[in-house]
Amino acid sequence: AQKVTQAQTEISVVEKEDVTLDCVYETRDTTYYLFWYKQPPSGELVFLIRRNSFDEQNEISGRYSWNFQKSTSSFNFTITASQVVDSAVYFCALSSNSNSGYALNFGKGTSLLVTP
Amino acid sequence: ETGVTQTPRHLVMGMTNKKSLKCEQHLGHNAMYWYKQSAKKPLELMFVYSLEERVENNSVPSRFSPECPNSSHLFLHLHTLQPEDSALYLCASSQGGESDTQYFGPGTRLTVL
Repeated sequence: AQKVTQAQTEISVVEKEDVTLDCVYETRDTTYYLFWYKQPPSGELVFLIRRNSFDEQNEISGRYSWNFQKSTSSFNFTITASQVVDSAVYFCALSSNSNSGYALNFGKGTSLLVTP
Repeated sequence: ETGVTQTPRHLVMGMTNKKSLKCEQHLGHNAMYWYKQSAKKPLELMFVYSLEERVENNSVPSRFSPECPNSSHLFLHLHTLQPEDSALYLCASSQGGESDTQYFGPGTRLTVL
């Protein structure tokens, strides 16, 4: 069975603080894909990153960075110098072909509030 | 033209009404999806179409009926809904099939009275 756990339900930070959103996943597959999406109050899910299980290199994109560690089955997301516009719900998701490769298994999301 | 559009953005309907949700993708993708997002629950995949053929149907009640006339358009026909069907309905598309990145529309906020 596949599962994605985002243990942090809500996080509140003050602008310019760094914040890390945790994601832990479970799968028996050796080939799988991990995703992060952002859902602002408008409702649309915005794609942030896709990572396959064979690529453990960490990635940085501007203020965003991702730390993929297969040893701990984690794919954590860090926002550096947070801004009010980062306030949203963030979802981690997992996909693999053994569980119908079309299905994205989402975590329950972490609601991030950045205050001025 | 934004990638994935959905209409209407908000819908209120009674339990005896029939309505349809529309999704259109402008990305040249071959697969389209319907998801349901209820409060306090993870997103649930409802239906998947690949090259206009339904490839996933995750035990969705028959009061939800999808239609995919071509690879750019996806509909969700609604009839005799229940109040617990109130949710945000999200459409997505992807280039090919399995494990491709899915791009989402803004959703339709449905309220069933």
